[in-house]
Amino acid sequence: GQSLEQPSEVTAVEGAIVQINCTYQTSGFYGLSWYQQHDGGAPTFLSYNGLDGLEETGRFSSFLSRSDSYGYLLLQELQMKDSASYFCAPNRDDKIIFGKGTRLHILP
Amino acid sequence: NAGVTQTPKFQVLKTGQSMTLQCAQDMNHEYMSWYRQDPGMGLRLIHYSVGAGITDQGEVPNGYNVSRSTTEDFPLRLLSAAPSQTSVYFCATRGRGGNEQFFGPGTRLTVL
Repeated sequence: GQSLEQPSEVTAVEGAIVQINCTYQTSGFYGLSWYQQHDGGAPTFLSYNGLDGLEETGRFSSFLSRSDSYGYLLLQELQMKDSASYFCAPNRDDKIIFGKGTRLHILP
Repeated sequence: NAGVTQTPKFQVLKTGQSMTLQCAQDMNHEYMSWYRQDPGMGLRLIHYSVGAGITDQGEVPNGYNVSRSTTEDFPLRLLSAAPSQTSVYFCATRGRGGNEQFFGPGTRLTVL
């Protein structure tokens, strides 16, 4: 079977740090991707973890633990423009399945 | 380069009508996928293709057909539209072995 869990909503304050967790179960897994989607827009790629550990891209970092089937996205120095939905997506060789996403609300 | 294009941007259908949502890419990507997005449901995979002439079903394939006669195009057909197919449809592409999926701008479909 296949399952994917992430919180439906997270709220944080501008300038703070927020972590969005993701647990997954899927066959043929080879990496975990994260996507951002603003209201009315299309999803855009943020990061990918093919190996265990932390990947950093500017204010965003992503972590993967294959043994725990767990990953997270870390957003630092939050800005109002980071208000969006964030999706973790286990990569298989042939297809990518998305979950329901996490809606990030940022308070001024 | 246009990237991934989808037409139309908006469409209203009556129940029972048929239509084709177009998706085209100029990135020479082998993998193409169709997703639908409904409020609170995230992105659900409808059909996908790993190359010309090869298609497979995703999570929610019922009511939809696809074909992949060329690398560039991956049309999605609704044979007899139903109100339950009201949704936003996204086409996405990815190179073989690539980790990043590129999305088109979406088609907003309403079935009355």
